[in-house]
Amino acid sequence: DTGVSQDPRHKITKRGQNVTFRCDPISEHNRLYWYRQTLGQGPEFLTYFQNEAQLEKSRLLSDRFSAERPKGSFSTLEIQRTEQGDSAMYLCASSPRRGQGFSEQFFGPGTRLTVL
Amino acid sequence: GESVGLHLPTLSVQEGDNSIINCAYSNSASDYFIWYKQESGKGPQFIIDIRSNMDKRQGQRVTVLLNKTVKHLSLQIAATQPGDSAVYFCAENSRIQGAQKLVFGQGTRLTINP
Repeated sequence: DTGVSQDPRHKITKRGQNVTFRCDPISEHNRLYWYRQTLGQGPEFLTYFQNEAQLEKSRLLSDRFSAERPKGSFSTLEIQRTEQGDSAMYLCASSPRRGQGFSEQFFGPGTRLTVL
Repeated sequence: GESVGLHLPTLSVQEGDNSIINCAYSNSASDYFIWYKQESGKGPQFIIDIRSNMDKRQGQRVTVLLNKTVKHLSLQIAATQPGDSAVYFCAENSRIQGAQKLVFGQGTRLTINP
């Protein structure tokens, strides 16, 4: 257990429905990341927050996806009008800030989304 | 383009033997590399990292080797144990891609035979 928690762990929804996932990072970490992982593949970067500011967004993050981190603590990832292609594991990670360089990312257990 | 790939998708070794997992990357601007272990139903777990100004780094039972000339990274696990069974990913970061973005490879599944 890395200390990063995600809720729910599993979500089954019907195509066209909206879903929202929550991530609680390690408390002293001010950086938070979302990745998506499909079966047999490595995680793919979606977006990154430093405190409450969303600083990077991948081209994978279509306009149906929105991520927030309103108070610089927990984060939510919402997918609107879900499609079957959205079925994947959604991983959250957090890291401490160490200057401007890269710092180790600690991953949560993920939320597995199945869109029927 | 940017890509991180693996030579072998699966690796099977005898318990107690050493394991070597390989990874090739194409982005010459990559300056930080990480190996993650992912067990079924869990998120990736950090194993070891290495910066581009180093060619070798050792941890507990693990060693990472970096060959920047041929853009190759390897993870060596000594005296492999059943608990080492998992999928192993290499990942890289470069300032060009964005300060915090990690690019992962496809992964290698390591299976330990008793």
